[in-house]
Amino acid sequence: DIQMTQSPSSLSAYVGDRVTITCRASHDVGNHVAWFQQKPGKAPTTLIYGASRLEGGVPSRFSGSGSGTDFSLTITSLQPEDFATYYCQQHIKYPLDFGGGTRVEIK
Amino acid sequence: QVQLQESGPGLVKPSETLSLTCAVSGYSITTAFYWAWIRQSPGRGLEWIGSVDHTGITFYTSSLKSRVTISIDTSRNHFSLSLRSVTAEDTAMYYCARRIRGDGDHWYFDVWGRGTLITVSS
Repeated sequence: DIQMTQSPSSLSAYVGDRVTITCRASHDVGNHVAWFQQKPGKAPTTLIYGASRLEGGVPSRFSGSGSGTDFSLTITSLQPEDFATYYCQQHIKYPLDFGGGTRVEIK
Repeated sequence: QVQLQESGPGLVKPSETLSLTCAVSGYSITTAFYWAWIRQSPGRGLEWIGSVDHTGITFYTSSLKSRVTISIDTSRNHFSLSLRSVTAEDTAMYYCARRIRGDGDHWYFDVWGRGTLITVSS
């Protein structure tokens, strides 16, 4: 199995801040990583797939990068609606493991 | 616009079988994509349970493989999850999701259902 380790597990930030979340895979997954956003009481929604490909309708302040084992999700100019929990996931090999999540809170 | 909707019993007794259905609307389940079940609990985070393709070929996570069956019903445009011999550790929010082929030959979850909460308790 491929373990996905996210850091930090939580962070506090101000509206307008630039925020970066990292995800490390235990094995090389190429660029097959997705990022999801989940708000309390809601299902996850897809932000990014293929490490850097923005899903349709997702604001351009979200971006993803990385390859191999190290990946990151960046939110430029954090907006009030961006306070949520974010998960990475490798989508190349079964089982399709997720990271433990990063909770982004208002400072 | 494709929508997925889970349905299930809400409460299941220990040792019994959990049965869930995911109804797909706005899209034919026979298209060459994958359909998945994912669960989420406070102690275990997001956990992929398994997937089925449009022909009925299945893939399961190893920790649940002995207890789980995922099937597809093309006539009803839905797919199902059966989890046998449940315990309290199976208490979770259960989601169904579609896995599609995106740009660059990336297969990823693009649409999720709203989820259904399953509690295992006597």
